[in-house]
Amino acid sequence: GDSVTQMEGPVTLSEEAFLTINCTYTATGYPSLFWYVQYPGEGLQLLLKATKADDKGSNKGFEATYRKETTSFHLEKGSVQVSDSAVYFCAQGGYGGSQGNLIFGKGTKLSVKP
Amino acid sequence: NAGVTQTPKFQVLKTGQSMTLQCAQDMNHEYMSWYRQDPGMGLRLIHYSVGAGITDQGEVPNGYNVSRSTTEDFPLRLLSAAPSQTSVYFCASSDSGPTDTQYFGPGTRLTVL
Repeated sequence: GDSVTQMEGPVTLSEEAFLTINCTYTATGYPSLFWYVQYPGEGLQLLLKATKADDKGSNKGFEATYRKETTSFHLEKGSVQVSDSAVYFCAQGGYGGSQGNLIFGKGTKLSVKP
Repeated sequence: NAGVTQTPKFQVLKTGQSMTLQCAQDMNHEYMSWYRQDPGMGLRLIHYSVGAGITDQGEVPNGYNVSRSTTEDFPLRLLSAAPSQTSVYFCASSDSGPTDTQYFGPGTRLTVL
């Protein structure tokens, strides 16, 4: 079935380091792809999204490109800040084999040290 | 706009008790859904609704019921609580469905003893 796999954490970085969180998906159709972020004690909020192949989503210095050939949507940021400490979820949403569901990866916890 | 609201924020139940988790949105969204979040499991879909009067099961529906009598409200009912239902529950809504941006509520932390 459809699924999302993202790198396991926790990931600990120093401030201003480069961040990559890998995400790959399997899908029967052509889903939209998302990165959501969850700050401590809060619900999830959308970080960025891409709706078709080769689209690049970006927000707050984070970027991810929808790669159909490698079925990937890796999250990157050039210089992380302490305030980026959170749990990051990759997700796919579509109407194919997932029957109208949004499927999440298991989440990657990021801690940024000053 | 309040967005998506959930009540209560915290709840402790005994095994076998029933309760309803409330969810409401004021964005006139057609699509609403319930997820549970467990450590190391990410978010798993319990039930969803594509509009008033229409509901369907997600990945983990057993032990839960939903109804959608209005566009705004999407309550989740636990029929007979079990310790395995200890989790954090999130309600979400979107304009049109899973390809659209989801707006999440703040969550309900449920403990079943």
